[in-house]
Amino acid sequence: GQQLNQSPQSMFIQEGEDVSMNCTSSSIFNTWLWYKQDPGEGPVLLIALYKAGELTSNGRLTAQFGITRKDSFLNISASIPSDVGIYFCAGQSLNAGNNRKLIWGLGTSLAVNP
Amino acid sequence: KAGVTQTPRYLIKTRGQQVTLSCSPISGHRSVSWYQQTPGQGLQFLFEYFSETQRNKGNFPGRFSGRQFSNSRSEMNVSTLELGDSALYLCASSTVGTVLGEAFFGQGTRLTVV
Repeated sequence: GQQLNQSPQSMFIQEGEDVSMNCTSSSIFNTWLWYKQDPGEGPVLLIALYKAGELTSNGRLTAQFGITRKDSFLNISASIPSDVGIYFCAGQSLNAGNNRKLIWGLGTSLAVNP
Repeated sequence: KAGVTQTPRYLIKTRGQQVTLSCSPISGHRSVSWYQQTPGQGLQFLFEYFSETQRNKGNFPGRFSGRQFSNSRSEMNVSTLELGDSALYLCASSTVGTVLGEAFFGQGTRLTVV
């Protein structure tokens, strides 16, 4: 099935560093969603973006909906050990039947060295 | 407000058997989607149900099926299990009435086929 290009695939950083990851698509999306998944758990929604150019923050997390509507990035500032996990992006498009459909990236695995 | 509930959390089955997984969405959510996640893989979309009807379907063989009940609870069934079906199966629910609904995930069912 269709998937987004999410990068980097993995990151290993020092506590306190900032982190940046992004997703790109060849298709236009109406919504971008960013999730975090801890081991053995389901993904948890971090940030939802609904408008091209929109910049939204959630604590130390900031995400932006690209103006071309084909990309989005997520930044984490001053990382802490509990930021460890897999981060997924998802884009939402309208398929031919006007039904919502989520397209997913393969995830960015983040490891934080205390 | 209760979140998405998936049962059971863990399951061990033998090749050739069949299995049924259950998902209770957030109250008021009428859309339920199912995903398969294997180590190192992103979320592979199985299908989406809305108002007891399958609205979207991923690229999985016919051994994978699902249904949704009038109370929006959903079940997915996998028949003739194969070793490769071992995975974390995730269910997500979302609101309707808007094409911009966010998906909220359950904790998943970890299926191991031996």
